[in-house]
Amino acid sequence: QKEVEQDPGPLSVPEGAIVSLNCTYSNSAFQYFMWYRQYSRKGPELLMYTYSSGNKEDGRFTAQVDKSSKYISLFIRDSQPSDSATYLCAMSDLQGAQKLVFGQGTRLTINP
Amino acid sequence: DAMVIQNPRYQVTQFGKPVTLSCSQTLNHNVMYWYQQKSSQAPKLLFHYYDKDFNNEADTPDNFQSRRPNTSFCFLDIRSPGLGDAAMYLCATSRGGGRGSPLHFGNGTRLTVT
Repeated sequence: QKEVEQDPGPLSVPEGAIVSLNCTYSNSAFQYFMWYRQYSRKGPELLMYTYSSGNKEDGRFTAQVDKSSKYISLFIRDSQPSDSATYLCAMSDLQGAQKLVFGQGTRLTINP
Repeated sequence: DAMVIQNPRYQVTQFGKPVTLSCSQTLNHNVMYWYQQKSSQAPKLLFHYYDKDFNNEADTPDNFQSRRPNTSFCFLDIRSPGLGDAAMYLCATSRGGGRGSPLHFGNGTRLTVT
């Protein structure tokens, strides 16, 4: 079993839809949770960064962490074609350096 | 803008011919990482430097080496590339320290082995 599980998709939705992306994990020591967006042929770009459980909102993006269920989510409201990318969840337990464990990534396409 | 810069963006090398990938950062971060990402897969950590301290992952092949001559630069050396080493190589940085600090990635170097 992988430490972090993420449905690779692909996921295709119409413009304006609400998108829900999810990851589950097995390591209860994880404390820091991130979502990265990766466009084709580019490096991952940090979208959201949260510590422990709870919600965090930034514009059209909302990240949720439920440590009791070992489940994290990213919601995208009013999705745009420019949101089409691969979304990677990542997490760490932080011991010294921030060594991230990534999910496989979900490939998302927003159709105009 | 402060950033992580990787050169070259695309690198073609021959089977068995040593190759070096470079990374520089203007963020003044303590930690620099090298990740390998194959198509449709999660990035896989190869090693990282916390300041001058080198930390190798247990499953990183000996074929992969790294150097960090100063805070700003880090290099990935592949001594004898095989066809299986074709991948995107991502450099990342973070502040390190006692609290979590997110990683900031460069745009990667795509390595082709012929």
